[in-house]
Amino acid sequence: AQTVTQSQPEMSVQEAETVTLSCTYDTSESDYYLFWYKQPPSRQMILVIRQEAYKQQNATENRFSVNFQKAAKSFSLKISDSQLGDAAMYFCAYRSSNSGGSNYKLTFGKGTLLTVNP
Amino acid sequence: SAVISQKPSRDICQRGTSLTIQCQVDSQVTMMFWYRQQPGQSLTLIATANQGSEATYESGFVIDKFPISRPNLTFSTLTVSNMSPEDSSIYLCSGVRHEQFFGPGTRLTVL
Repeated sequence: AQTVTQSQPEMSVQEAETVTLSCTYDTSESDYYLFWYKQPPSRQMILVIRQEAYKQQNATENRFSVNFQKAAKSFSLKISDSQLGDAAMYFCAYRSSNSGGSNYKLTFGKGTLLTVNP
Repeated sequence: SAVISQKPSRDICQRGTSLTIQCQVDSQVTMMFWYRQQPGQSLTLIATANQGSEATYESGFVIDKFPISRPNLTFSTLTVSNMSPEDSSIYLCSGVRHEQFFGPGTRLTVL
């Protein structure tokens, strides 16, 4: 079974600075997807960024980028120019790319609570 | 992007009763899931809601406790049966269109 580990329960960053959230995972599969989801306090969880394992190029979405190291099974999220609205719980998640009805099931890490200081 | 709504948004229930949570998507999705998220914790998958057939449950979750319906491609319900305080949690549904997107959750407190 796949596992996802987020070793930083909490992180803080100054507004306008850069912060990196860590995620490692364990899998025997060669093809899969990795995600970062953001859950603001008392608000809906939203997808921040997505990475396909077969792509060597790191995904980016505006101020959000990832450092995907497949051999090391590492998938960190970098937030540049942090804003107050970035404060949230961030979850790293894994999805298999195998065919079949279960291939959209997500395995989540325990989350990292990010605080942004003004 | 697709929108998911859940009803109720929160409820306080007595031990031994049941609560049905509704999940409505604004357009058809290929798959729907139900998760539980205990306060400050990660999400745990309860089951996959299959359209027109019985849900597929994860280890540790059973149909008698968490019956699920999915009569069409935009709607699903989760019932939390014979509740105990240990069932106090946030219950989220999700849908898949390209990737998974989530509803706002139902915050359940069992006294």
